[in-house]
Amino acid sequence: QEQLVESGGGVVQPGRSLTISCAASGFTFSNYDIHWVRQAPGKGLEWVAVIWFDGSKKYYADSVRGRFTISRDNSKNSLSLQMNGLRAEDTAVYYCARKFSHSSWAIDIWGQGTMVTVSS
Amino acid sequence: SSELTQPPSVSVSPGQAARITCSGDPFPKKYAYWYQHKSGQAPVMVIFEDTKRPSGIPERFSGSSSGTLATLTISGAQVDDEADYYCFSVNSDGNQGVFGGGTTLTVL
Repeated sequence: QEQLVESGGGVVQPGRSLTISCAASGFTFSNYDIHWVRQAPGKGLEWVAVIWFDGSKKYYADSVRGRFTISRDNSKNSLSLQMNGLRAEDTAVYYCARKFSHSSWAIDIWGQGTMVTVSS
Repeated sequence: SSELTQPPSVSVSPGQAARITCSGDPFPKKYAYWYQHKSGQAPVMVIFEDTKRPSGIPERFSGSSSGTLATLTISGAQVDDEADYYCFSVNSDGNQGVFGGGTTLTVL
């Protein structure tokens, strides 16, 4: 079964850092681009970042560029999002999500999400 | 950066057609994708590349696009279709994804 499982969420103080992870199984991870998408409490979905299948390209939303870093380890079928300088507005459920194909921005598989709370 | 605009809510009676619109500058050059999101669950793609329906998605879900407007239509909406629906696309440079603000569909 094709699956993505996020981990590493928790409560963190403003200004601090946190790294969340995503473990893939059931498909050839190295063939797929992967997104991070978040949803703040009571708000809509927000696209955060994407990384190409081989890690060669990384793109970010304006709201996180310069603070967040997306990376992957294809040998371990894993994806990470390092979040620095966290703000209250970064509080959200973070989903990793598989891009349907390299030529399409469709998302066909989503994880269940991990909650990040930024609070003092 | 690009923006996509959706109505906050749509309400229909069971069996009626529900239409959810999404307007924005990525269209028509970029495709629209539609996601159904129920509370506590992962989102599900119901339409991709403007009009295509993934396997397993009921035929009552359809998509269309004209100019800067993309539309999701649920023909004969059912109570089980109640959810938040989001359109999604990519900016003109092809390097940033963008979601619409979401539309809450009520079927009652």
